[in-house]
Amino acid sequence: DSGVTQTPKHLITATGQRVTLRCSPRSGDLSVYWYQQSLDQGLQFLIQYYNGEERAKGNILERFSAQQFPDLHSELNLSSLELGDSALYFCASSRSETQYFGPGTRLLVL
Amino acid sequence: DQQVKQNSPSLSVQEGRISILNCDYTNSMFDYFLWYKKYPAEGPTFLISISSIKDKNEDGRFTVFLNKSAKHLSLHIVPSQPGDSAVYFCAAMNSGGYQKVTFGTGTKLQVIP
Repeated sequence: DSGVTQTPKHLITATGQRVTLRCSPRSGDLSVYWYQQSLDQGLQFLIQYYNGEERAKGNILERFSAQQFPDLHSELNLSSLELGDSALYFCASSRSETQYFGPGTRLLVL
Repeated sequence: DQQVKQNSPSLSVQEGRISILNCDYTNSMFDYFLWYKKYPAEGPTFLISISSIKDKNEDGRFTVFLNKSAKHLSLHIVPSQPGDSAVYFCAAMNSGGYQKVTFGTGTKLQVIP
């Protein structure tokens, strides 16, 4: 158990819809990262937050947004969903170089 | 542009033998490297890391070697066990930056009993 929690574990929705994925970092970790893993693909970095502020952006679509709240939990919002957005979405947290990953949210867009 | 490359998508090894997983990188600003292990339907689990000031780091059955001049690192697992069967991701970062980590595409290791 990494100490990073993610909800929900599974999510099934339809194209055009909007969903919110939630992540609670390890206690004391100020940085939160979001990654997408599509079928048979590596981990694609989406975005990083540090203590509530956006720190770095990766290959994140304009339809996607994220935020980190004062209690340090983070939410990833995915809107106007397309079939190709079906993937595993991982959150990770860190306080140094090593990132610790949550179990992921499996999103299926039908 | 794939800055971290794992050119072997899969690897099969007999139980008890050595597993060697390879990783190449192109960005000379990377100075910290990590290996993660991932089981299906689970998040990646941190395994071992190495700073660019070292060329070797060992933790039990796992050893990571770094060759900075060749921009190459490898993970050795000795002896390999069936429970090691998983996907292994190599990752790299510039520790002085915002700690954005770049991951390779992974190598699926199968340890055959």
